[in-house]
Amino acid sequence: KAGVTQTPRYLIKTRGQQVTLSCSPISGHRSVSWYQQTPGQGLQFLFEYFSETQRNKGNFPGRFSGRQFSNSRSEMNVSTLELGDSALYLCASSPEGGRNQPQHFGDGTRLSIL
Amino acid sequence: GDSVTQMEGPVTLSEEAFLTINCTYTATGYPSLFWYVQYPGEGLQLLLKATKADDKGSNKGFEATYRKETTSFHLEKGSVQVSDSAVYFCALTHGGNEKLTFGTGTRLTIIP
Repeated sequence: KAGVTQTPRYLIKTRGQQVTLSCSPISGHRSVSWYQQTPGQGLQFLFEYFSETQRNKGNFPGRFSGRQFSNSRSEMNVSTLELGDSALYLCASSPEGGRNQPQHFGDGTRLSIL
Repeated sequence: GDSVTQMEGPVTLSEEAFLTINCTYTATGYPSLFWYVQYPGEGLQLLLKATKADDKGSNKGFEATYRKETTSFHLEKGSVQVSDSAVYFCALTHGGNEKLTFGTGTRLTIIP
């Protein structure tokens, strides 16, 4: 069974640009969550989507947004990029969501802002 | 709000040594508890989990017991290998939602 696939693996952007990251969950998984990992702040929850609806949101500015498609694939978008947005962005999926279901993570997209 | 406190790293051990990585949490009620591991250049892999008090999660020789009375979920392994070198994250979910709250991570290095 294929795991969670994130594309691209690496991305370099400049300040002020916008970026879109993609996540394909494990087949049959309907919940997709996004996390930001930085050396200073650690792993922080961005948002979760289930059946094309945002079900939960972390404490990030409105520049960070996401969506989910009918096939459960998800994208996240960051607009007006800042240097502090440099991070590893991780996507995770689970079958139905809910606290007892472990999330399966992709290898992440490493975003560097110049 | 919910929080997870992990043992500060880095931790360096010799092969076959005993490992303990401490983890305590703050959350109301009964969260579900997880240990994830991250190898260089990769995402997080679920190592083990426990969903109720006194549950013991185990996998690949690692164990952790959900202790409600001490709000702890310490990770242990009796004999570590070089291949166990990685960063270990303690985490919880709570309140019926999917959001994982992570500790800061503990970098483990095993010396042959």
